[in-house]
Parts: sequence; C-alpha cells; structure tokens
Amino acid sequence: SQTIHQWPATLVQPVGSPLSLECTVEGTSNPNLYWYRQAAGRGLQLLFYSVGIGQISSEVPQNLSASRPQDRQFILSSKKLLLSDSGFYLCAWDDGGDTQYFGPGTRLTVL
Amino acid sequence: GENVEQHPSTLSVQEGDSAVIKCTYSDSASNYFPWYKQELGKRPQLIIDIRSNVGEKKDQRIAVTLNKTAKHFSLHITETQPEDSAVYFCAPTGTASKLTFGTGTRLQVTL
Repeated sequence: SQTIHQWPATLVQPVGSPLSLECTVEGTSNPNLYWYRQAAGRGLQLLFYSVGIGQISSEVPQNLSASRPQDRQFILSSKKLLLSDSGFYLCAWDDGGDTQYFGPGTRLTVL
Repeated sequence: GENVEQHPSTLSVQEGDSAVIKCTYSDSASNYFPWYKQELGKRPQLIIDIRSNVGEKKDQRIAVTLNKTAKHFSLHITETQPEDSAVYFCAPTGTASKLTFGTGTRLQVTL
C-alpha cells in the first residue's frame, strides 16, 4: 500500500532563516505531488504541484520554491522566511486519478 | 479559476441530529466532487466523493448529493456523533485534477 511521509513534523524558525521541508511517497511510481499551506483556522492553499521529476508548477508567487529531485521526493524551500510563512504545510499525492492523499503535515512557526 | 464557497462556516448540532453542509462552485467543467474531514491538528482525509455522472452517493451515515445544473453539492451526515466534530472541506476538481478547497465548515456535535 502507499504511504506518504513528511518531516519534520514541527519546526520553529527565525525570520530570515532558510527552510527545507521534505515529502516522500512509498508504494507508487510517478505520482503527481502537491504542496499546500494552511494558515491557522483557514482553508488549504495550493502552492506547487509536480507531474514528474524536475517539473514544477507554481500556483502562487511567493518567496517559496519547490523541487523534485527524485520520482517520489518533493521538497519545499525558502531562502529567507517571513512571518507570513507560518502555517501547516501539507504534501499530497495522487496517481493521476482525482483523489489526493495527504501527508501528516509540518507545522511551521516563524518568529 | 474555480470559485468555491461553503455554507455554513460553523455548524453546531446535538448528538443524533443531522448535519448538512453545502458547497457551491463556479467551474462548469468540474467533474469530481470530494469531501474531506480534518480533525484538529491532523491531515485532511477523504470521507466521500462523487463524480459528475451520479446524483447521489451514500456510505453508512454520510452521503453526498450533486446538482450539476445549479453547481452545488452537499454533504449530509445523519445520526451525528461527537467524533464527527471536525472541519469539513469540499474540493471540486476541474481540469488538470487540481483540487480547489472551500473555506471549510467547523462542525461541533454536542452531547
């Protein structure tokens, strides 16, 4: 069966510091991968999605970037965090069908 | 892009009562209509979905109904229980299999 991992689970970072969040999927090949952000008490905002290695589409212009160095690995990065980057970051995957499955999330607090 | 609205934003029901949450969308090309449940601090999890060629789908105490003409679909929960308390998101999907999440409905089931 397929599983999706995210790490770290929680992170506290100072403003201006770099960021790297990782997501990996097991048990499937060539998944579509997604990064979402959820601000406290709000809905989910799609940040990036990828249909294959090295293929990244950005939904919202911001100081974040994403990379997909391997088929089942998706990384979210920033060179300099802002206070507004705080939130719950969720990675998700699908196999080309409609249903997306979410990872456990990373709770990021920028101070 | 897709505009998605959910109503109500909060809903409080007594245990055993029914709950109905409505989702309206704008993209007439949407053809997949899922509902996700998110418990506090956890990842969203798919609870039920429906495709555009079906008007209603039921799974035990939950059901989803779709009105494609009016561009809305609804989540119905019968015989509510305390463990149904959570935030519920609709996420109609149009082209490119990208989910557009609604703003969420916080359901509170009281004893």
